[in-house]
Amino acid sequence: QSVLTQPPSASGTPGQRVTISCSGSSSNIGGNTINWYLQLPGTAPKLLIYNNNQRPSGVPDRFSGSKSGTSASLAISGLQSADEADYYCAAWDDSLNGPVFGGGTKLTVL
Amino acid sequence: QVQLVESGGGLVKPGGSLRLFCAASGFTFSDYYMNWIRQAPGKGLEWVSFISVGSSDTNYADSVKGRFTISRDNAKKLMYLQMSSLRAEDTAVYFCARRAKFGEGASDIWGQGTMVTVSS
Repeated sequence: QSVLTQPPSASGTPGQRVTISCSGSSSNIGGNTINWYLQLPGTAPKLLIYNNNQRPSGVPDRFSGSKSGTSASLAISGLQSADEADYYCAAWDDSLNGPVFGGGTKLTVL
Repeated sequence: QVQLVESGGGLVKPGGSLRLFCAASGFTFSDYYMNWIRQAPGKGLEWVSFISVGSSDTNYADSVKGRFTISRDNAKKLMYLQMSSLRAEDTAVYFCARRAKFGEGASDIWGQGTMVTVSS
């Protein structure tokens, strides 16, 4: 049982905009910034979004993040087949004194 | 280039021990906090432990507290995870990850992972 809650799956067609939600509590998302990771099959996770809505160098601006209260969301616009992957949200948890993750959302491009 | 490479994984019997290694290159290892994060087969990510730059600050997930010990050697650019009293539920790919200097606890560089299987 993951500390942060994400839908297990999401889907969209090429070119479409998709959003993935992530909910937590006051000890994690409510009081700290959210990070998002992308994991392609058989590979290590890659940082996609940090500080709620910042993109590391090299991440296309098709990916955007937002946060409100104890929830956050990742939006992917102009969906591409290469975006098929597992997406994880994460945030620092003040009670745990460590990062907590969502269970992951498997994105399918139809 | 900036890189993390894990090693030391393998098959171990329940109750056994294993030591994982994470070798860093391409950056000033001693400037960064480091994490161990694991992923059970077909499951999501679970943070395991972190260590501060000078090793004075460490923490562990409740699931491994008292059984796992994190350490590092900045001169050798190595991080370790000593795992003991291993259980079937510790079976996972173990990733070492660099804590970014931006973001709160974000991990910006990950290794490829090393598989640990606990089974009789």
